[in-house]
Amino acid sequence: QKEVEQDPGPLSVPEGAIVSLNCTYSNSAFQYFMWYRQYSRKGPELLMYTYSSGNKEDGRFTAQVDKSSKYISLFIRDSQPSDSATYLCATLQGAQKLVFGQGTRLTINP
Amino acid sequence: EPEVTQTPSHQVTQMGQEVILRCVPISNHLYFYWYRQILGQKVEFLVSFYNNEISEKSEIFDDQFSVERPDGSNFTLKIRSTKLEDSAMYFCASGPRLSGANVLTFGAGSRLTVL
Repeated sequence: QKEVEQDPGPLSVPEGAIVSLNCTYSNSAFQYFMWYRQYSRKGPELLMYTYSSGNKEDGRFTAQVDKSSKYISLFIRDSQPSDSATYLCATLQGAQKLVFGQGTRLTINP
Repeated sequence: EPEVTQTPSHQVTQMGQEVILRCVPISNHLYFYWYRQILGQKVEFLVSFYNNEISEKSEIFDDQFSVERPDGSNFTLKIRSTKLEDSAMYFCASGPRLSGANVLTFGAGSRLTVL
């Protein structure tokens, strides 16, 4: 069973739409969950991280973790063309190792 | 804003050749990492490094790979005898501490093409 699963997309939405990006994970021991954004020809950039279950909000971005269903989500409100990128979910395995999902390629159309 | 710098941005090499990828982590960071991403696949962990030694490595990181911090600022990944399947984007990352939310900063990556 793969540790972190993410629909690779691509996902294309109009500007201003609410975007929902999702991942599932297999190991109930995972406690830390991250969302990274990766622009073309760049490295992953941390957007947000959450611990255990619950929501975390940062501006237009909301991260949500449901440990009972092993489901993590990232919501983007009022999406902008500059949000167009690949979004990677990740969990922390042990103290140091990030385990990434496949990444979802998102395009926001003006 | 501090950043992780990687060189070269792209290297083309022949199979069997040695390659060294270089990274300058953020200056006050203590934990250093290499990840790689084969085209179309996930970003995957290779190795973590702390206090001048490897603290964790993946199954990918076999005897062909080595890391070192030769001068207190650079952090290098050496592949001794490259194989076709080593073609990938290699990302260096650094973090300030070891904790449940060790916030890593990634470099822009070094693309390695093995012919």
